[in-house]
Amino acid sequence: DAKTTQPTSMDCAEGRAANLPCNHSTISGNEYVYWYRQIHSQGPQYIIHGLKNNETNEMASLIITEDRKSSTLILPHATLRDTAVYYCIVRVPETSGSRLTFGEGTQLTVNP
Amino acid sequence: DSGVTQTPKHLITATGQRVTLRCSPRSGDLSVYWYQQSLDQGLQFLIHYYNGEERAKGNILERFSAQQFPDLHSELNLSSLELGDSALYFCASSVLPAGANTGELFFGEGSRLTVL
Repeated sequence: DAKTTQPTSMDCAEGRAANLPCNHSTISGNEYVYWYRQIHSQGPQYIIHGLKNNETNEMASLIITEDRKSSTLILPHATLRDTAVYYCIVRVPETSGSRLTFGEGTQLTVNP
Repeated sequence: DSGVTQTPKHLITATGQRVTLRCSPRSGDLSVYWYQQSLDQGLQFLIHYYNGEERAKGNILERFSAQQFPDLHSELNLSSLELGDSALYFCASSVLPAGANTGELFFGEGSRLTVL
């Protein structure tokens, strides 16, 4: 699985958009980008995933650059409850076995 | 609520002891995954079962073992416990193996193990 690089921490004001970047410059053509988050000591929560196209669901939007070497997770209107560690994971579901490999993630703090 | 149930939520035991952590996956999910999260290691994949069969192994110690039963619940057995085994143990489930390209795992709230 390709390695990802995320900032260690970020701050965001409540009500504003939170944009979390992820670099995955060694991503291969069949690898997907997944985002999970973990609110303090709770179980990780799936947010979104995508391959090439931008994706949106009720929680967030995922923007993947055209060369697929980086992506951004967007929380459109961050709330205090969005304070969590956000993990960007790149993998090929079909060939990388059946695991998600979590890195260090980004600690997002949403401030009032 | 993810639908994945883990028991016990908290467990305190002594070194050298043995404990069993239990996981009930979401209704209909055939895959169960176990992860360990300690302060200095982050989330580490331990093992994956699909419909009763072991599918993948990660950094699971020989002192640890797991199984998935016919009713699809899973147990993680930790023996000869050491101080360093103190951690949060998460179970996750999914409908299909990750090879089915869903990528979505549903995690339980974890079992916090403290070894004194």
